[in-house]
Amino acid sequence: QQQVKQSPQSLIVQKGGISIINCAYENTAFDYFPWYQQFPGKGPALLIAIRPDVSEKKEGRFTISFNKSAKQFSLHIMDSQPGDSATYFCAASKAGGTSYGKLTFGQGTILTVHP
Amino acid sequence: SAVISQKPSRDICQRGTSLTIQCQVDSQVTMMFWYRQQPGQSLTLIATANQGSEATYESGFVIDKFPISRPNLTFSTLTVSNMSPEDSSIYLCSVRGGFDQPQHFGDGTRLSIL
Repeated sequence: QQQVKQSPQSLIVQKGGISIINCAYENTAFDYFPWYQQFPGKGPALLIAIRPDVSEKKEGRFTISFNKSAKQFSLHIMDSQPGDSATYFCAASKAGGTSYGKLTFGQGTILTVHP
Repeated sequence: SAVISQKPSRDICQRGTSLTIQCQVDSQVTMMFWYRQQPGQSLTLIATANQGSEATYESGFVIDKFPISRPNLTFSTLTVSNMSPEDSSIYLCSVRGGFDQPQHFGDGTRLSIL
């Protein structure tokens, strides 16, 4: 599997602040980039996803920014809340062939939002 | 989105034994996958569960250690064989309804080997 690098490993923000998590990938064949949120004792939950034909996608307080030329994408959480405290994973996969649906995950970011 | 149920949710097993994990989905799905998440780590794909045929394993994972079945479009099992403490992990079932469909995960099976 091709690598996806995620940073930072951990992030602490104040309530109401902006949380930013970054990911970089190597394989230019990747064309689906989801973000997952995982709470302790639970499986990862799909938060938002983007394809490389758009540079930004917003859903509520969550925004993905995508830079195809730099092979980077990031998650922005606006107005961060204590309930957003969780581990966030970026991932990537290819659309077709034998790699269809196989997600390569970043290392994860532990987000803590202080009240 | 599909509701994914995994059983058992957790187990403590003895070294050298085997455990079969079940994944049941409430709707037919095209793709089913098994992932492993070691303590405090990211997720790694073990294999793709193919309906009616042998699973497709990723590098580092073999059928003798992780046999997988998928008899239909809503059910799959993963067996962790001849377990050792290094197999202590969370095992997660993941499904995708079809092309351009989101991919969802179950809550996982937390396995500890003594």
